[in-house]
Amino acid sequence: GENVEQHPSTLSVQEGDSAVIKCTYSDSASNYFPWYKQELGKGPQLIIDIRSNVGEKKDQRIAVTLNKTAKHFSLHITETQPEDSAVYFCAASRETGRRALTFGSGTRLQVQP
Amino acid sequence: NAGVTQTPKFQVLKTGQSMTLQCAQDMNHNSMYWYRQDPGMGLRLIYYSASEGTTDKGEVPNGYNVSRLNKREFSLRLESAAPSQTSVYFCAGGGGIASTDTQYFGPGTRLTVL
Repeated sequence: GENVEQHPSTLSVQEGDSAVIKCTYSDSASNYFPWYKQELGKGPQLIIDIRSNVGEKKDQRIAVTLNKTAKHFSLHITETQPEDSAVYFCAASRETGRRALTFGSGTRLQVQP
Repeated sequence: NAGVTQTPKFQVLKTGQSMTLQCAQDMNHNSMYWYRQDPGMGLRLIYYSASEGTTDKGEVPNGYNVSRLNKREFSLRLESAAPSQTSVYFCAGGGGIASTDTQYFGPGTRLTVL
């Protein structure tokens, strides 16, 4: 089955700096890669996703890049703000067959004001 | 439009007791999922239902049963709760549609088994 590894487990940055979180996956058939943000006491919320026919996707201050050859993808947050502080999860799934997500173990991002 | 709702929000059980966690979605998704979240381990799939009337095991199905009552509702049952089932449980809807695999999560049920 799929295995997703996520690094780092914790990340502390100063407000205004950039933050990068990296994930690798094992199943070459995976072709959908979402990122979720989870605030304390809440369910994960989708913030951005990318499919394997795209190498990079941006949405305002967040971007995701995908390298299918190397089987890794990354989340980039620019101009970080205190409200970006949360736990971020990467995930992977196939578009056909079993579509359930396999999650990374999470990254706790702390943005220092 | 509430999205994905879960009840109860919190529950404390004694070892051996049973209970059912309820999940409902109003987003017309074909697929629904149950995950558990433990500290430092991300979310792990317990069971999923690709469409009404079908269910399949995920990564950690032991000790659980599910029921896809209709397109909107997907329940998770613990027949004989164990301390190892202390966790936060999330239901999700989504995926299974040709145009997207996006999954939307409910707020979670925090379960403690004593």
